[in-house]
Amino acid sequence: DSGVTQTPKHLITATGQRVTLRCSPRSGDLSVYWYQQSLDQGLQFLIQYYNGEERAKGNILERFSAQQFPDLHSELNLSSLELGDSALYFCATDSFFGQGTRLTVV
Amino acid sequence: GQQLNQSPQSMFIQEGEDVSMNCTSSSIFNTWLWYKQDPGEGPVLLIALYKAGELTSNGRLTAQFGITRKDSFLNISASIPSDVGIYFCAGRLLTSGSRLTFGEGTQLTVNP
Repeated sequence: DSGVTQTPKHLITATGQRVTLRCSPRSGDLSVYWYQQSLDQGLQFLIQYYNGEERAKGNILERFSAQQFPDLHSELNLSSLELGDSALYFCATDSFFGQGTRLTVV
Repeated sequence: GQQLNQSPQSMFIQEGEDVSMNCTSSSIFNTWLWYKQDPGEGPVLLIALYKAGELTSNGRLTAQFGITRKDSFLNISASIPSDVGIYFCAGRLLTSGSRLTFGEGTQLTVNP
């Protein structure tokens, strides 16, 4: 158990919709990273937050946004969803990953 | 774009055999990590390396941080069926802060 908690585990939604993925980091960890893993692909860095502030941005689409709250949990918001957004989305704190949210856009 | 080249892409071995996989890059890394990922699960950290030349073991797993800081390898000795999965290397680039850059993974199949 990495101590990083992600909800929901699975999400199925229609194109054009908006979803929110949630992550709770391990106790004491200030950093939260979001990664996307498409089918048969490696993990791509999306965005990092540290203690509530955006620290680094990777290959994150403008339709996606994230935030980190005072209690350090983070949310990744995905809007105007397209079929190609179907993927596993992982939250991590430094070296430890959550179990991921599998998003399926239909 | 992808900055880590991981090889091989896949391996099919017999139980008891040793396995070796590696990652190379043209860029310098200050941390190398090796993960195992089972289907539908998150990557699980196996070994972390922080210094050039460092050789670290975790049970039957051994990994090394290349002396040039541009490569790393992972060895698995005496493989067992539960070693099946995808192994990823990941590194922290000297120029990219603390985020991880991942290799494309090595799919390992172990035949009993």
